[in-house]
Amino acid sequence: AQTVTQSQPEMSVQEAETVTLSCTYDTSESDYYLFWYKQPPSRQMILVIRQEAYKQQNATENRFSVNFQKAAKSFSLKISDSQLGDAAMYFCAYRSAKNYGGSQGNLIFGKGTKLSVKP
Amino acid sequence: NAGVMQNPRHLVRRRGQEARLRCSPMKGHSHVYWYRQLPEEGLKFMVYLQKENIIDESGMPKERFSAEFPKEGPSILRIQQVVRGDSAAYFCASSPRTGVGETQYFGPGTRLLVL
Repeated sequence: AQTVTQSQPEMSVQEAETVTLSCTYDTSESDYYLFWYKQPPSRQMILVIRQEAYKQQNATENRFSVNFQKAAKSFSLKISDSQLGDAAMYFCAYRSAKNYGGSQGNLIFGKGTKLSVKP
Repeated sequence: NAGVMQNPRHLVRRRGQEARLRCSPMKGHSHVYWYRQLPEEGLKFMVYLQKENIIDESGMPKERFSAEFPKEGPSILRIQQVVRGDSAAYFCASSPRTGVGETQYFGPGTRLLVL
């Protein structure tokens, strides 16, 4: 079974600085998707960024980028020029690319990292 | 295009009552997923449905929990005879019909409190 591990329960960053959130995962599959979701105090789950495992190029979305290391099964999120609105829980998630059997595309989440942004 | 809608946003039930949570997917989305988030935890998959079919319910407790996604109307997650341990946030997500590679978009969640 696949697992997702976020080893940093809490992180803190100064406004305008850069922070990196760690995520590792365990899988025997070669084709899958990885996601970072943000959950602010409103508790709405918001997609931050997505990576297809078959793509070597790291995904970027404005100030958010990932460092995807497939061999190491690592998928870290870098937030540049941190803003107060970035304060939230961040969840890393894995999704199999299989569409049969037990893995029908459901997301497997880590336990999250709580990010605080200091003004 | 309206996002995923869930109602109610907050639900209070006494032990032994029934809870019904509703989810309307985004327009054009025919795949619906339900997840549960316990306090201080990540989301855990419960059930995956397409219109009129349960595709994967491997994450759903065998007793008291059921889900449906009828041809017309929202998806319903039903919890019978609720217990205090059912208190959690329940999230619904939807994705388009084009397959498992599609991103899931989440609703705002329903916070269930069992007294």
